[in-house]
Amino acid sequence: SQTIHQWPATLVQPVGSPLSLECTVEGTSNPNLYWYRQAAGRGLQLLFYSVGIGQISSEVPQNLSASRPQDRQFILSSKKLLLSDSGFYLCAWIGGPHEQYFGPGTRLTVT
Amino acid sequence: SQQGEEDPQALSIQEGENATMNCSYKTSINNLQWYRQNSGRGLVHLILIRSNEREKHSGRLRVTLDTSKKSSSLLITASRAADTASYFCVPREASGTYKYIFGTGTRLKVLA
Repeated sequence: SQTIHQWPATLVQPVGSPLSLECTVEGTSNPNLYWYRQAAGRGLQLLFYSVGIGQISSEVPQNLSASRPQDRQFILSSKKLLLSDSGFYLCAWIGGPHEQYFGPGTRLTVT
Repeated sequence: SQQGEEDPQALSIQEGENATMNCSYKTSINNLQWYRQNSGRGLVHLILIRSNEREKHSGRLRVTLDTSKKSSSLLITASRAADTASYFCVPREASGTYKYIFGTGTRLKVLA
């Protein structure tokens, strides 16, 4: 069966520090992968999606970037975090063939 | 790609009652999906209804789709405290876009 992992589960980082969140998928190949951010009490904001290795589409131009170095690995990064980057970050992939499956999320607090 | 608009924004009911939430969208779709998010967790796919379907059931869930009104509803029967969550609809267009756009959802609270 397919499984999606995210780590870390929680993270507290100071403003201006770098960020690296990792997402990996098991049990499937060539998945479409997604990064979302959810501010407290709000809906999901699509940040990036990828249809293959090295193929990244950005939805929100800001200080975040994404990379897909391997087929089942999706990384969200920032060189310098802002307070507004705080939130709940979710990785997802498409299975089924239409449904999205989500990871457990990473809660990021920028202080 | 388009975003569904869920209504109401928040709903509070007693355990055992039915909960109904609605979704409206703007352009033609291929399918519409409902997701649930428990507090602090990832989203879980609940049900998908295709554009040529009018009603679909899954356990205590009943989804209807009215393409002429560009609307869908999710009914949860005999609600339980564990149904407390946010519910999101995602209309999927036929254009083959890879994007899934989520709205702000309906926050359902089931009181024991």
